[in-house]
Amino acid sequence: AQSVTQLDSHVSVSEGTPVLLRCNYSSSYSPSLFWYVQHPNKGLQLLLKYTSAATLVKGINGFEAEFKKSETSFHLTKPSAHMSDAAEYFCVVNSVGTSYDKVIFGPGTSLSVIP
Amino acid sequence: DGGITQSPKYLFRKEGQNVTLSCEQNLNHDAMYWYRQDPGQGLRLIYYSQIVNDFQKGDIAEGYSVSREKKESFPLTVTSAQKNPTAFYLCASSTQHGAEQYFGPGTRLTVT
Repeated sequence: AQSVTQLDSHVSVSEGTPVLLRCNYSSSYSPSLFWYVQHPNKGLQLLLKYTSAATLVKGINGFEAEFKKSETSFHLTKPSAHMSDAAEYFCVVNSVGTSYDKVIFGPGTSLSVIP
Repeated sequence: DGGITQSPKYLFRKEGQNVTLSCEQNLNHDAMYWYRQDPGQGLRLIYYSQIVNDFQKGDIAEGYSVSREKKESFPLTVTSAQKNPTAFYLCASSTQHGAEQYFGPGTRLTVT
């Protein structure tokens, strides 16, 4: 079965310190992977995507993620948190085109940034 | 300006009434999606459509209906059969099923 696990439901960091949001996936195939961000009462916005090219993916707003097949992980990082980064973050696995044929959203990680 | 619009932003209905949520996109995307989000929870797929005049049930389709008569429009009807309709509803589209999705701003539905 395909699944996505976001290991922390809530992460709190101080402004200017690094951010690490963890995501592990389970897939029998080589999936496409995405990270989205959602600010309160807003729609989701794509941060970055991995589609089997470079394993280190750079996204918007200084975020990046590294695809590690051996660890089945796709953790999201940012060197220095900004107050505007406070939001909900979703890791997504795309298994469309495989026998599972689904887009699977993780449960989300809420990021708080302390001034 | 390309994008997805959802209207209205807030919607209030009495229990027992059907209500239709609008979703329009001018991105020329083939695939469109409807999700439900409850407080503190992730997204659950209601329905999706890969092409005009075709749609499939998602994980929580009971009590909902959709149509896809035009490429740019994918309205969602919340029927009186939906037991707990109060939620935040998000519409999305993508170039094809499985590609990155572009989301609308959402509609918050409150049923009392």
